[in-house]
Amino acid sequence: AQTVTQSQPEMSVQEAETVTLSCTYDTSESDYYLFWYKQPPSRQMILVIRQEAYKQQNATENRFSVNFQKAAKSFSLKISDSQLGDAAMYFCAYRRYGGSQGNLIFGKGTKLSVKP
Amino acid sequence: KAGVTQTPRYLIKTRGQQVTLSCSPISGHRSVSWYQQTPGQGLQFLFEYFSETQRNKGNFPGRFSGRQFSNSRSEMNVSTLELGDSALYLCASSFGPSRGPAYEQYFGPGTRLTVT
Repeated sequence: AQTVTQSQPEMSVQEAETVTLSCTYDTSESDYYLFWYKQPPSRQMILVIRQEAYKQQNATENRFSVNFQKAAKSFSLKISDSQLGDAAMYFCAYRRYGGSQGNLIFGKGTKLSVKP
Repeated sequence: KAGVTQTPRYLIKTRGQQVTLSCSPISGHRSVSWYQQTPGQGLQFLFEYFSETQRNKGNFPGRFSGRQFSNSRSEMNVSTLELGDSALYLCASSFGPSRGPAYEQYFGPGTRLTVT
């Protein structure tokens, strides 16, 4: 069974600084998707960034980028120029390639605080 | 366009009772997935529906059930409530299954269920 591990329960960053959230996963499959979701205190979960395992290039979305290391099964999220609105729970998630869209496997999350 | 809506937003029930939660997906989305979120277990997949058929089911007891209607709206039901069922129940919608690219899942705000 696939598992996702986020080893940092809480992180803190100064506004305008850069922070990296860690995520490791375990799978025997070669094709899959990895996601970072953000859940602000209002609870609406939103997708931050996604990575297809067959793509070697790291995904980037504005201030958010990932470091995808397939061999090491590592998928970290870097937030540059942190803003107060980035404060939230961040979840790393895995989904196998093809088939059902459901069955996202989530890590336990990292609570990110942004200090002004 | 309107996002995923879930009703009710908050619910308080007593042990032994049953509860029904509702989810209306984004217009055009035909797949609905349900997740349970608790501080201890994190986010866990409950089940996924597409075209009124359950396509995937997580590791939850039979007290948890769901269904999907022809307009893609979905309900989940929990019978014989236990204290441990207290959680945030999240619904997510997407276009549907895919043999290739993963369609993004859009999450609703959740229903906070408290069992006393």
